[in-house]
Amino acid sequence: AQSVTQPDIHITVSEGASLELRCNYSYGATPYLFWYVQSPGQGLQLLLKYFSGDTLVQGIKGFEAEFKRSQSSFNLRKPSVHWSDAAEYFCAVGVVTGFQKLVFGTGTRLLVSP
Amino acid sequence: DTAVSQTPKYLVTQMGNDKSIKCEQNLGHDTMYWYKQDSKKFLKIMFSYNNKELIINETVPNRFSPKSPDKAHLNLHINSLELGDSAVYFCASSQDMSGYGYTFGSGTRLTVV
Repeated sequence: AQSVTQPDIHITVSEGASLELRCNYSYGATPYLFWYVQSPGQGLQLLLKYFSGDTLVQGIKGFEAEFKRSQSSFNLRKPSVHWSDAAEYFCAVGVVTGFQKLVFGTGTRLLVSP
Repeated sequence: DTAVSQTPKYLVTQMGNDKSIKCEQNLGHDTMYWYKQDSKKFLKIMFSYNNKELIINETVPNRFSPKSPDKAHLNLHINSLELGDSAVYFCASSQDMSGYGYTFGSGTRLTVV
């Protein structure tokens, strides 16, 4: 069955430091991969997505992610974290079985310390 | 100009009541979805509709009945609400069943007391 694992429930990063959020997926076919961010009390905002092509994907707000097929990973990175980046981050894989549904990981809460 | 809008944003109701959540998208998308986010923030798909036709029901209890009067609207009606139904419900749409252009609404927080 398809699944997404985000091994870190929460991460604390100092403002200005670099960030990497881990995501591993299990899916038999070529995956469509997504990262979403959810601020407290807010909806889901798409940060970036990978469908095909270049395995390094650039997104909004200075985020990027790298698809590594050999490791079944799609880790999210940002070189310098801002206090406004504190939020919940969700990795998802798009599963196409006649239609596409998103299978989400359990999320990683990012805390930013001064 | 919200692309996917849900109403209401918050809903507090008593056990046993029946309630509806409405969703509308102005993106011209053919496919719409309902997702549920539980108290542990876990997100899971509930339903998918394509051009007003039900495509998938992910083992959701019969108390949940989606209705799509046209392809721009997908409403969720819940009968005999239970405490465990408390969650945030997200509507989403995509251009077609391939999932291109997946867009989420801002969510409806349902609290059953």
